[in-house]
Amino acid sequence: ETGVTQTPRHLVMGMTNKKSLKCEQHLGHNAMYWYKQSAKKPLELMFVYNFKEQTENNSVPSRFSPECPNSSHLFLHLHTLQPEDSALYLCASSQGDSPEQFFGPGTRLTVL
Amino acid sequence: QKEVEQNSGPLSVPEGAIASLNCTYSDRVSQSFFWYRQYSGKSPELIMSIYSNGDKEDGRFTAQLNKASQYVSLLIRDSQPSDSATYLCAVKEDKAAGNKLTFGGGTRVLVKP
Repeated sequence: ETGVTQTPRHLVMGMTNKKSLKCEQHLGHNAMYWYKQSAKKPLELMFVYNFKEQTENNSVPSRFSPECPNSSHLFLHLHTLQPEDSALYLCASSQGDSPEQFFGPGTRLTVL
Repeated sequence: QKEVEQNSGPLSVPEGAIASLNCTYSDRVSQSFFWYRQYSGKSPELIMSIYSNGDKEDGRFTAQLNKASQYVSLLIRDSQPSDSATYLCAVKEDKAAGNKLTFGGGTRVLVKP
């Protein structure tokens, strides 16, 4: 595998379910990001991790819980989501002080 | 509230012509600027980075930056149908903001054969 991978690619869940999104980067980067992309809205930064430490939480509701066990893996744990949380969730990574971010393919989430 | 503005389009361009995309940003201390291409149903792909005033060329793409006017543009020369996509402008704020990027809403480009 190369680049940034995300699983699953598609997810349908009910409002009472608990699920997790997974991201893995194979680029040797040390910063990882979660973004939300909704229709007709700009990409929204959710969380930033640098060297496994969370450095940014962009006022994200607590029903989204990130986890970064190491610099290569990033998770987004989901529970009691709302239909308006349906969106494309993108993971990205970058190296050190470089601002260039590289995106994974995304998880298309539908909340029923 | 720091903002990045783009015309949503669609920008319709005949094949072989030049597509010109514009982006303005509100934070005067912004340091780095990026253009991403996003095909429908796919994730954004970085195509250009620009850090200093002036032009930067890479193949058929030219990025232009004018920090005094808080304006960055992307030119696509010899446009091809495969260039049809949404182009996202992204801006990195000052150094204190780490690597946080602010994205515009994107400009949809349609290249017609």
